[in-house]
Amino acid sequence: GENVEQHPSTLSVQEGDSAVIKCTYSDSASNYFPWYKQELGKRPQLIIDIRSNVGEKKDQRIAVTLNKTAKHFSLHITETQPEDSAVYFCAASITGGFKTIFGAGTRLFVKA
Amino acid sequence: EAQVTQNPRYLITVTGKKLTVTCSQNMNHEYMSWYRQDPGLGLRQIYYSMNVEVTDKGDVPEGYKVSRKEKRNFPLILESPSPNQTSLYFCASSDEGAQPQHFGDGTRLSIL
Repeated sequence: GENVEQHPSTLSVQEGDSAVIKCTYSDSASNYFPWYKQELGKRPQLIIDIRSNVGEKKDQRIAVTLNKTAKHFSLHITETQPEDSAVYFCAASITGGFKTIFGAGTRLFVKA
Repeated sequence: EAQVTQNPRYLITVTGKKLTVTCSQNMNHEYMSWYRQDPGLGLRQIYYSMNVEVTDKGDVPEGYKVSRKEKRNFPLILESPSPNQTSLYFCASSDEGAQPQHFGDGTRLSIL
């Protein structure tokens, strides 16, 4: 069945460094790729998304890239801050569709 | 304020005792869904609903039921809970397919 693989499972960076989280999806029909941030004990929150008609999208310190041919997409966080510490989930779905497949999550630690 | 409200937030119960987790959204969203979150597995979709009286199974529907009698409410029912349903549950809503845009605060269920 469809699945989304996410790497790494844990990532530790120094404050100010960049962090990159990578995901691979299996369903070639997927065309919508959201990213969620979940702080400890809190709900997941949608932080950015990308659709298959673009290759990159930025929002301040975060950016997502998509390679449809390779079925890869990535989250890039620049100038990391301690408040970026959280679990990040990637997901893949079809716009207007009814199933969203999540990756297993990446726990990001930003050391001050 | 846009909200998805789940109740209860925490519940400890015993095997076989029927329980219902309520979910309500105030955004007039057509799409609602339920997820369970387990360590190392990310979020897995249990059931989703496209509109009133329209529901369908997600990836892990066994042991669960749902109903959608009103647009704002989407309760999750465990008719005969078992210990393998011990998990953290999230309800979510969206105005564009089942890709979750807004999550509730979560319900932590422990089935003894």
